[in-house]
Amino acid sequence: QMQLQESGPGLVKPSQTLSLTCHISGASISSGSIFWSWIRQPAGKGLEWIGRIYNSGSTSYNPSLSSRVTMSVDTSKNQVSLELTSVTAADTAMYYCTTVRGRAFDIWGRGTLVTVSS
Amino acid sequence: QSVLTQPPSVSGAPGQTVTVSCAGTSSNIGAGFEVHWYQQFPGTTPKLLIYANTNRPSGVPDRFSGSKTVTSASLTISGLRAEDEADYYCQSYDLSLNYVFGTGTRVAVL
Repeated sequence: QMQLQESGPGLVKPSQTLSLTCHISGASISSGSIFWSWIRQPAGKGLEWIGRIYNSGSTSYNPSLSSRVTMSVDTSKNQVSLELTSVTAADTAMYYCTTVRGRAFDIWGRGTLVTVSS
Repeated sequence: QSVLTQPPSVSGAPGQTVTVSCAGTSSNIGAGFEVHWYQQFPGTTPKLLIYANTNRPSGVPDRFSGSKTVTSASLTISGLRAEDEADYYCQSYDLSLNYVFGTGTRVAVL
């Protein structure tokens, strides 16, 4: 059964770059027609889609974040990565990695909490 | 940046039926894109509850059902149970914004 595990630094300073990794187990990132996505959720607030990537490297980003977001795939490590530049306190949130099938987010990682603070 | 509008909260007594609405526009639900629903308990990861308007993933009780009209969708919980108390989010696709979520609804069991 496929599982997703997010990892990264829990604390990032303002203006720096947030870098997260999602390791996929139980399936090859290269197999099947699966998109991979990042979603975030500030404490006590709703869900926000960040971006989506295919195993070919093709990406699609939330227009409100697109100038600061880069997603990538590393097939050798079976993982996807997220970079968000010039972070502010507004980027403090739980970040989730998910699969995307038919435009639904069907498998979720447990999430990793990122706090932006000096 | 929630594009889909949901009521902040709905409540019902055990055994009752409650409905959570999700209002969209002609750019998302009204454009024919499917609606999906997620259940999230406090402090836990969201879980796909309904996909493609009406379909339940394996393991989701048939007490949960979804429907869709032209520019809106609904999640219905029949025979409400205490363990259904959670936050529920709708989600669809938007012509300009790509994937969009609802504002979220807290379902309370009285």
